[in-house]
Amino acid sequence: AQTVTQSQPEMSVQEAETVTLSCTYDTSESDYYLFWYKQPPSRQMILVIRQEAYKQQNATENRFSVNFQKAAKSFSLKISDSQLGDAAMYFCAYRSLAQKLVFGQGTRLTINP
Amino acid sequence: EPEVTQTPSHQVTQMGQEVILRCVPISNHLYFYWYRQILGQKVEFLVSFYNNEISEKSEIFDDQFSVERPDGSNFTLKIRSTKLEDSAMYFCASSGSWDLAGGKTQYFGPGTRLLVL
Repeated sequence: AQTVTQSQPEMSVQEAETVTLSCTYDTSESDYYLFWYKQPPSRQMILVIRQEAYKQQNATENRFSVNFQKAAKSFSLKISDSQLGDAAMYFCAYRSLAQKLVFGQGTRLTINP
Repeated sequence: EPEVTQTPSHQVTQMGQEVILRCVPISNHLYFYWYRQILGQKVEFLVSFYNNEISEKSEIFDDQFSVERPDGSNFTLKIRSTKLEDSAMYFCASSGSWDLAGGKTQYFGPGTRLLVL
């Protein structure tokens, strides 16, 4: 079974600076998808970024980018120019062809003004 | 932008009562899911649904749970006899055709916060 591990329960960063959230996963599959979801205090799950495992190029979405290391099974999220609105729980998630998402435990990100 | 909607936003019920949580997936999506998140814990998969049948379910999804797509727009989760440990946030999600670029992404609704007393 696939597992996703987020080893940082909490992170904090100064506004306008850069922060990296870590995620590792375990799988025997070669084709899969990885996601970062953001969960603000409202508890809604908001998609931040997606990465297909077959793509070598790291995904980017504006201030958000990933460092995908397939051999190391690592999928970190970098947030540049952090803003107060970025404060939230961030969940890393794995999806195989079996469709269901497997989530990590989450990292609570605090932005210091 | 199309979105997944869920009703109610909050539900309080007595232990042993039946609850039905409702979801309206994004209109052209074909795959539907329920997840739950107990307070302070990670999000857990419950069930996936495609072509009017369950395609996968987790160990959590026991005989007390059922899902249904009663019409062309709604997707429901029923808990027949609620227990205290069913208190959680329940998320509905949907995704499109596998062939489409966005088909691999699941879009979540805002959740229903269920409290069992």
